[in-house]
Amino acid sequence: ELKVEQNPLFLSMQEGKNYTIYCNYSTTSDRLYWYRQDPGKSLESLFVLLSNGAVKQEGRLMASLDTKARLSTLHITAAVHDLSATYFCAVALGGSNYKLTFGKGTLLTVNP
Amino acid sequence: DVKVTQSSRYLVKRTGEKVFLECVQDMDHENMFWYRQDPGLGLRLIYFSYDVKMKEKGDIPEGYSVSREKKERFSLILESASTNQTSMYLCASMGAGSYNEQFFGPGTRLTVL
Repeated sequence: ELKVEQNPLFLSMQEGKNYTIYCNYSTTSDRLYWYRQDPGKSLESLFVLLSNGAVKQEGRLMASLDTKARLSTLHITAAVHDLSATYFCAVALGGSNYKLTFGKGTLLTVNP
Repeated sequence: DVKVTQSSRYLVKRTGEKVFLECVQDMDHENMFWYRQDPGLGLRLIYFSYDVKMKEKGDIPEGYSVSREKKERFSLILESASTNQTSMYLCASMGAGSYNEQFFGPGTRLTVL
């Protein structure tokens, strides 16, 4: 059974600081996804990582994937209040082409 | 842009009622999914469908059924709603060969009294 663990689950940051959210998964996979969810809203796709060593950046967010370590990171640079949201990673079960297993999410609060 | 819509944003039902949640996507996607989201538990897959009239159980199918009569529409049915089915329900769709990227609807917050 695929397990996906995120940490931390809660993160309170000051504006301007850097931090990293970690996503570990338990079985072989080379497809990892990051989503953002604002309070009361649905999930918005941020990044799709499809191979070992993949790195993608959008604004102050950068995601990477290390399939050997079964680890993805979401790095936040110089946080701003607008980044406050819950961030989920999700992993595709190896061999499947449609099932995702989600982490429990990281609630990020960026304080002025 | 992919658009996934759900029939209701908020729904209040009584224990024992039959509940229908509807989801429609406009991108001709083959695959559609129903999740529930609960605090501290993340998203859990209830059912998915990979083609019209085809369905597979997800991780927590008990107490739910689904229907997919047309490609664009996927319905989640609670045959006899119970209080432990109070939750946020999210529908998603995904095209074939799209590297599993799923696009989510706005969600339905269901309260069962």
